[in-house]
Amino acid sequence: EPEVTQTPSHQVTQMGQEVILRCVPISNHLYFYWYRQILGQKVEFLVSFYNNEISEKSEIFDDQFSVERPDGSNFTLKIRSTKLEDSAMYFCASREATGQETQYFGPGTRLLVL
Amino acid sequence: GQNIDQPTEMTATEGAIVQINCTYQTSGFNGLFWYQQHAGEAPTFLSYNVLDGLEEKGRFSSFLSRSKGYSYLLLKELQMKDSASYLCAVSYNTNAGKSTFGDGTTLTVKP
Repeated sequence: EPEVTQTPSHQVTQMGQEVILRCVPISNHLYFYWYRQILGQKVEFLVSFYNNEISEKSEIFDDQFSVERPDGSNFTLKIRSTKLEDSAMYFCASREATGQETQYFGPGTRLLVL
Repeated sequence: GQNIDQPTEMTATEGAIVQINCTYQTSGFNGLFWYQQHAGEAPTFLSYNVLDGLEEKGRFSSFLSRSKGYSYLLLKELQMKDSASYLCAVSYNTNAGKSTFGDGTTLTVKP
């Protein structure tokens, strides 16, 4: 069964460093998402991406964040200058098409900023 | 804001039935998701309701009342593996699928 994959599974970085989190959505899916979940807290929407551009973003998704689909398979989230409060689990999700509401989540990347 | 309210914790016995409620603000409502999340894992899609009524899918059913801003997830014949967090998430004013999540309900199933 097709699934969303994410790399790395864990990342430790120093405050102020740039990180890139990678996702490979399911191949025929058209909508892509990033969510984060701080330990013990709820899942929070960051950004949605469709047709090679951002569709929606939350107030969390400030200028320190960017997303890219550099080729036909990868979908990346970049944090330019990480802060301690960026420590969280980051989930990528994908959805097939308009009218198909099921979002399939990847296993997540646990980011720890020291 | 778009507050989504669900109980923090629930406990039930193996083999029993449990209902997890979720209330939300109705303005701009598109649809409502239920997800299951085991500790340390990603959310797994359970259901999506956009119309009023009950949708049944095996042991799990989900109900929606759009006018009341209310949904519930019904789990029957509980199994130990059903111990998890259950997340209610609402899609508002969007075709892009942005979802606002509740805090989740941690369900503990006891023997």
